[in-house]
Amino acid sequence: ETGVTQTPRHLVMGMTNKKSLKCEQHLGHNAMYWYKQSAKKPLELMFVYSLEERVENNSVPSRFSPECPNSSHLFLHLHTLQPEDSALYLCASSLRDRNNEQFFGPGTRLTVL
Amino acid sequence: KQEVTQIPAALSVPEGENLVLNCSFTDSAIYNLQWFRQDPGKGLTSLLLIQSSQREQTSGRLNASLDKSSGRSTLYIAASQPGDSATYLCAVLWNQFYFGTGTSLTVIP
Repeated sequence: ETGVTQTPRHLVMGMTNKKSLKCEQHLGHNAMYWYKQSAKKPLELMFVYSLEERVENNSVPSRFSPECPNSSHLFLHLHTLQPEDSALYLCASSLRDRNNEQFFGPGTRLTVL
Repeated sequence: KQEVTQIPAALSVPEGENLVLNCSFTDSAIYNLQWFRQDPGKGLTSLLLIQSSQREQTSGRLNASLDKSSGRSTLYIAASQPGDSATYLCAVLWNQFYFGTGTSLTVIP
């Protein structure tokens, strides 16, 4: 088990629901990331937070809303998703300005009905 | 455009063989390159990180090399075991991390 945890591990939601994914890192890192992994496609970087400030937002639809209240916690708030948003959502953390090695959580398998 | 490519997409080998996985990238001005392992439905496990200034890294039966000038990295696995069966992903750090689509490895007992 890594020092990055994610909850829930599985989530099924309707298109009109609101839900949140949670990520917590216990590694003393100062950067956290959200990735989307869909079948047969490379991991897509969604958001990056460094020192609790968002530094990257790769044209992600507004139905995905990140929140980083402190350097150990990261949330992804979900609202009115589409079936094509079904994927594995992975959280990672790293120590920026060092070697930047990323450590990943186990992921949340999201299914949108 | 910055891209990472991994070929082949899938590979099957008998147990005990040594094997090489390939990763190529389009821009040599990288900060680092990281190899991961992913088991089905699970997160990514970091295997090796090579900094831009390094040529290789080793951990147990794994050895990763980096040739920036040719835009290539290889992951060498010695004496493969069935437990090595997984998808292996390569990630390159430029201004952000870019991932390849991975090589799915099956080691046959």
